[in-house]
Amino acid sequence: AQSVTQLGSHVSVSEGALVLLRCNYSSSVPPYLFWYVQYPNQGLQLLLKYTTGATLVKGINGFEAEFKKSETSFHLTKPSAHMSDAAEYFCAVSEETSGSRLTFGEGTQLTVNP
Amino acid sequence: ETGVTQTPRHLVMGMTNKKSLKCEQHLGHNAMYWYKQSAKKPLELMFVYNFKEQTENNSVPSRFSPECPNSSHLFLHLHTLQPEDSALYLCASSQGVQGAEKLFFGSGTQLSVL
Repeated sequence: AQSVTQLGSHVSVSEGALVLLRCNYSSSVPPYLFWYVQYPNQGLQLLLKYTTGATLVKGINGFEAEFKKSETSFHLTKPSAHMSDAAEYFCAVSEETSGSRLTFGEGTQLTVNP
Repeated sequence: ETGVTQTPRHLVMGMTNKKSLKCEQHLGHNAMYWYKQSAKKPLELMFVYNFKEQTENNSVPSRFSPECPNSSHLFLHLHTLQPEDSALYLCASSQGVQGAEKLFFGSGTQLSVL
């Protein structure tokens, strides 16, 4: 069975500071890992995903995430936060055997302070 | 604009009402999904349709009845709902149902059951 844990339901950073959102997963087979972002009053939008190959994945809006198998982690980072990054971020996992059945974490609300 | 349109955006209904949520995708995708997003909880997959055929029902109560007349349209018919059914209902689509698929989400219908 697959599961996702996002550490910290709320993260607050200053504009220009590093953003680090943590995600740990559990999967019985090699996982596919995703980060989605949800802006207020909108649906979820894919930021980036890891399937195979290079473990450092770059996504939209300057975000990137690194797959670390030994730590079962897929943390999301951005070197310099922008006010427009304020949103809720969801980590998700799927497996080839589960098809597109994503298992989502509870989400992390990111606040960016001026 | 993600190419997935949901109507209505907001819905308030009594427990004895019957209403329907509509989702339309303009992306040429073959798979469509209903997710439930409740406060403080991970997104819950409700139903999956692939080429109009239901491939997954995640133990959803029968008061939720999905309908997929074609690959572009998905409905969720609601009747005799409970207050705990109040949530954001998200529709999504994808090209296929492989594990690495990217999902495209609509903006959701915010449902309040009185």
